[in-house]
Amino acid sequence: GQNIDQPTEMTATEGAIVQINCTYQTSGFNGLFWYQQHAGEAPTFLSYNVLDGLEEKGRFSSFLSRSKGYSYLLLKELQMKDSASYLCAVRDPSKNYGGSQGNLIFGKGTKLSVKP
Amino acid sequence: SQTIHQWPATLVQPVGSPLSLECTVEGTSNPNLYWYRQAAGRGLQLLFYSVGIGQISSEVPQNLSASRPQDRQFILSSKKLLLSDSGFYLCAWVGLKQFFGPGTRLTVL
Repeated sequence: GQNIDQPTEMTATEGAIVQINCTYQTSGFNGLFWYQQHAGEAPTFLSYNVLDGLEEKGRFSSFLSRSKGYSYLLLKELQMKDSASYLCAVRDPSKNYGGSQGNLIFGKGTKLSVKP
Repeated sequence: SQTIHQWPATLVQPVGSPLSLECTVEGTSNPNLYWYRQAAGRGLQLLFYSVGIGQISSEVPQNLSASRPQDRQFILSSKKLLLSDSGFYLCAWVGLKQFFGPGTRLTVL
């Protein structure tokens, strides 16, 4: 079956570093995505990993290990505005809808609270 | 770059009333478009996807329907809303990456 697991909630302190983990079990794999979603708003794209390793983009980094079915999102120098839910999603080509590269299977999200 | 519009932004409807939510996309042609629902405290649920005009596929049986009357227009509808239809409805454009529209928050009373 399809399963994406991530912690439900996390709390961290402003200025600190936080790592949000995601493990997945899917029929196929064609990339892993991280999205940020502030309360009441739509998810916004953060990162995309298709090969093993670390992708860095400013204060945010995302890591992937395909052999372990594991990814993490690393947020450095936390700011209050980083308080949001972070969604992990895996693209599964076995769920290929009409020419796209596969449907995204979403985890339920990790709600991150950044405290002063 | 692609821009996704959704309207209305918020909607409060009584049980049994009809529904029409609209999604339009700019900056791309022949997009793959998806409708998701996000209920309170739950993950994103894929409702419908469309690869072109008049082509709709449903992921889960439900009280909703979708239509693709134009290349860049995707509509979500219902003839009679249920309480369980309340949620945050998101339209998404799907290419190599996936981008979401701003969403419509629907409350059914």
